[in-house]
Amino acid sequence: DQQVKQNSPSLSVQEGRISILNCDYTNSMFDYFLWYKKYPAEGPTFLISISSIKDKNEDGRFTVFLNKSAKHLSLHIVPSQPGDSAVYFCAAKRSGGQNFVFGPGTRLSVLP
Amino acid sequence: NAGVMQNPRHLVRRRGQEARLRCSPMKGHSHVYWYRQLPEEGLKFMVYLQKENIIDESGMPKERFSAEFPKEGPSILRIQQVVRGDSAAYFCASSPDSHSYNEQFFGPGTRLTVL
Repeated sequence: DQQVKQNSPSLSVQEGRISILNCDYTNSMFDYFLWYKKYPAEGPTFLISISSIKDKNEDGRFTVFLNKSAKHLSLHIVPSQPGDSAVYFCAAKRSGGQNFVFGPGTRLSVLP
Repeated sequence: NAGVMQNPRHLVRRRGQEARLRCSPMKGHSHVYWYRQLPEEGLKFMVYLQKENIIDESGMPKERFSAEFPKEGPSILRIQQVVRGDSAAYFCASSPDSHSYNEQFFGPGTRLTVL
């Protein structure tokens, strides 16, 4: 049973436009969410996070939105750049837990 | 400040052999997590360790897999009598403490191929 879902395996966006990556979760005990970015042959690197007490967190070109009632979060990248091409993983952590539950990832391709 | 180190980066084993994967956490980090990524899937939590203690091994198969994080030296993930289904990328992550809501820092992974 997948507790964290990323229903789009891949996404292509033109350089300069907005990229929107979506993530849904089923466990209402999750209270902390992160996005990781992964290049081939490398480990995931942290991008941005959000606590369940917020509905938005912004860091430069990256903004994460959280809709708790819908159990949905999204990552917006604007403007998208070719260097943003990577696999993006959504991850969630429940209150009191130590490990993250990862989604299957979305492969973003930013076309020049 | 070196990041999380994992070695080897690539490991090839024949069915029935043992695989040993090593992870050195970031300096100052005493918490280590192991994840496995099967092809076309996300990372799946396996085990969480502190120095000399296994805190949570709920994601680790009961047989053939073991993990340790000794007082001195790296954390080791050991897979005995490997089978083809063990072929995957194994990632180690570390954090300074379990209550930190900062991210876990990941190593580059070990890609295990079982022939």
